Amino acid sequence: GAVVSQHPSRVICKSGTSVKIECRSLDFQATTMFWYRQFPKQSLMLMATSNEGSKATYEQGVEKDKFLINHASLTLSTLTVTSAHPEDSSFYICSAKPGNFYEQYFGPGTRLTVT
Amino acid sequence: DAKTTQPPSMDCAEGRAANLPCNHSTISGNEYVYWYRQIHSQGPQYIIHGLKNNETNEMASLIITEDRKSSTLILPHATLRDTAVYYCIVGSNFGNEKLTFGTGTRLTIIP
Repeated sequence: GAVVSQHPSRVICKSGTSVKIECRSLDFQATTMFWYRQFPKQSLMLMATSNEGSKATYEQGVEKDKFLINHASLTLSTLTVTSAHPEDSSFYICSAKPGNFYEQYFGPGTRLTVT
Repeated sequence: DAKTTQPPSMDCAEGRAANLPCNHSTISGNEYVYWYRQIHSQGPQYIIHGLKNNETNEMASLIITEDRKSSTLILPHATLRDTAVYYCIVGSNFGNEKLTFGTGTRLTIIP
């Protein structure tokens, strides 16, 4: 299957700082990428849908000014957690779709810990 | 997306077939059934999807009832590496339509 990478895999930051997470589709072009968040023992919760060259669509309750998403190319989307707080500590996962294919391919996830 | 119902947990002996059920009684005509799994602390992995016909690939088989209101994912010879949370999701998934994850079934393969 297609490969999606995320960087970094783990990050620890201090409260009040910003953290950027990258999501790359390595062997296909992704017109659409998705960002999810997963708290311990819970399911994945969609945060936003990102389309290349346009603004992201955020799910209800997700602050667009806090979680900045940029999808500048067909192989890269970034999620920036601004002014991070301990409650933002979570497992962040991206996924990418190759055009109008039916499968979504997921990255390995980034574990963010805010101290 | 239509709602799905899955048992919260299941056990299966190593080497036996694991049969994971999913109810999706409100599925609409253009919606597919997708199965993903998530091994601890990893991103979800695509397994299989289908519309109305049964499907098989190198990982699993998907059996969809004729009325499409339920389906079963079959792992024919379960191994310890199949221990994971399995998610059944329905959606058209065309274009940028999103997938909505439910709570899934935690499958434990027992040696």
